[in-house]
Amino acid sequence: GESVGLHLPTLSVQEGDNSIINCAYSNSASDYFIWYKQESGKGPQFIIDIRSNMDKRQGQRVTVLLNKTVKHLSLQIAATQPGDSAVYFCAEYNGNQFYFGTGTSLTVIP
Amino acid sequence: GAVVSQHPSRVICKSGTSVKIECRSLDFQATTMFWYRQFPKQSLMLMATSNEGSKATYEQGVEKDKFLINHASLTLSTLTVTSAHPEDSSFYICSAAERRGTDTQYFGPGTRLTVL
Repeated sequence: GESVGLHLPTLSVQEGDNSIINCAYSNSASDYFIWYKQESGKGPQFIIDIRSNMDKRQGQRVTVLLNKTVKHLSLQIAATQPGDSAVYFCAEYNGNQFYFGTGTSLTVIP
Repeated sequence: GAVVSQHPSRVICKSGTSVKIECRSLDFQATTMFWYRQFPKQSLMLMATSNEGSKATYEQGVEKDKFLINHASLTLSTLTVTSAHPEDSSFYICSAAERRGTDTQYFGPGTRLTVL
């Protein structure tokens, strides 16, 4: 089966600092990846995506990096704010369906 | 854009009753809709994929007679939990994609089902 996992299940950062959330995937054929944010009791919210023909993509305060050599994906959040506290999931598309990682819980300390 | 709604957001029912959950894409036509189940502090578990006008494809281990899925239009899919039992209590989330394949999935807000 697929394996999409996160290195750190929990992460605490000071408000204003940058956050980095990591994700490892197992299928080298996966060509599309998405990061989602899920707040408590709510559905996942799309943050940013990246295709395998890219190694970096930037959004508003977020950057996704893709390293296909080591099958690693990361989400960087600049100037982390209290509203960024949530669980973050990476999702991998293997040509057939999406697989979601376990999730990393990010806590922002004021 | 890309808003997906679910109704109801929360439901409490007695064991043995059936519960219907609606998933709607509000500002786009969803060729494909997905139903997930999520347990506390766990990731999303795909239950089934539904394409408009055709039967849903269920993941292994998901009872299709227990979880009835109907995708009658390009903006509406329903999940009916039949004869619900306490072990069916969970957070059910739908997502919708405009096209099949790698198109981004947009998620609904989820429905919290509690079966007494």
